[in-house]
Amino acid sequence: EVQLLESGGGLVQPGGSLRLSCAASGFIFNNYAMSWVRQAPGKGLEWVSAINGGGDSTYYADSVKGRFAISRDSSDNPYKNTLYLQMNSLRADDTAIYHCAKSSMGARHFDLWGRGTLVAVSS
Amino acid sequence: EIVMTQSPATLAVSPGERAILSCRASQSISSNLAWYQHKPGQAPRLLIYDASTRAKGIPARFSGSGSGTEFTLTISSLQSEDFAVYFCQQYNNWPPWTFGQGTKVEIK
Repeated sequence: EVQLLESGGGLVQPGGSLRLSCAASGFIFNNYAMSWVRQAPGKGLEWVSAINGGGDSTYYADSVKGRFAISRDSSDNPYKNTLYLQMNSLRADDTAIYHCAKSSMGARHFDLWGRGTLVAVSS
Repeated sequence: EIVMTQSPATLAVSPGERAILSCRASQSISSNLAWYQHKPGQAPRLLIYDASTRAKGIPARFSGSGSGTEFTLTISSLQSEDFAVYFCQQYNNWPPWTFGQGTKVEIK
């Protein structure tokens, strides 16, 4: 089955860290760029970070640059792999549901999304 | 950064009626626009890409139009499952990929 499943969210204090994971299955993972997109309470969607299929190019929104790091693994099974988002120096305005999203060929629109994992930053 | 502006913020429509949602880009994005449907607790779903191409499995009642800076998503006859939030997104200039703030389609 083609799907994305996020995990790793939770409650963290300001200044803390979390690592999100996104288990991808059903498509050749290394052929596609992947992104993290978040939605803060009552707000719209905000793209956070992206990584190309090879894992050697990464991109970040200004709001998270220098604090977040995206990465991806390459397992022996091309149809089951994982995307990560390491989040450091978390702030209250990072509170959101974080979705992982698969890019279409050419890294244009996002043709597959996960349900998301909730990150709450509060003391 | 390209700013995407959607209108209206909320649209109240009766089942069976037509809904027309608008999206405007702060500069020309050619036809590099996608529309998504998002329901609470679910994964967003791609509806339309390249401004007017329906994604796989999307019913024909969903249609997109426009180019440059003005775009429209039309739902020809609203079904109960269509009540949701709809987002537009540009991919002409990235990063960043940018989204509109969303239009909530609710039952009238």
